[in-house]
Amino acid sequence: QITLKESGPTLVKPTQTLTLTCTFSGFSLSTSGVGVGWIRQPPGKALEWLALIYWDDDKRYSPSLKSRLTITKDTSKNQVVLTMTNMDPVDTATYYCASHGGYCGGDCYSFFDYWGQGTLVTVSS
Amino acid sequence: QSALTQPASVSGSPGQSITISCTGTSSDVGSYNLVSWYQQHPGKAPKLMIYEVSKRPSGVSNRFSGSKSGNTASLTISGLQAEDEADYYCCSYAGSSTFWVFGGGTKLTVL
Repeated sequence: QITLKESGPTLVKPTQTLTLTCTFSGFSLSTSGVGVGWIRQPPGKALEWLALIYWDDDKRYSPSLKSRLTITKDTSKNQVVLTMTNMDPVDTATYYCASHGGYCGGDCYSFFDYWGQGTLVTVSS
Repeated sequence: QSALTQPASVSGSPGQSITISCTGTSSDVGSYNLVSWYQQHPGKAPKLMIYEVSKRPSGVSNRFSGSKSGNTASLTISGLQAEDEADYYCCSYAGSSTFWVFGGGTKLTVL
């Protein structure tokens, strides 16, 4: 059974750095073809893909947020960590971690098959 | 503004069929057969319903089907049921610069 769960602060102040942890089970990030990433959703708005880390430690970031994002993994702990710097109220959103499935070579995955429950992060002073 | 365009809302009566469109460009939907669809009930995480344009994951009802023509993908739900009422999002791989883009979401109301 594959599960993912996000953890981190629910409230951060503007300009602070957000650190979110995704703890997963049922698969290993050391297995070829496996990827885990982050997707966010502002209240009442659409989904937005943020970042992805591959089994071989390669990484990809949303072009619009690349300068603010860092994704890392701890394979021994089955965890993926996302940091986002210089938080702003517009970054208020539910942040989901999700496994990327259907590896199709290069940097490509076909879909996001398993999702965490999400964690709401509010940016406010 | 989302990269892929979906209607804000659609509705249908139980038993009817509805189709949700998802319009992109030649850089995303038009270039890759990597369109997926997600169902999201209020307060819940999205659930994968269709991948690679028209494939259904195990456990997803065959009332859900997908297709694509040019830069537009579509999700069709036949035999509408009350539990289908939810938000639906399309997503497409968009190449090695943009990676993945989502639609703005469509709220399905079952009348």
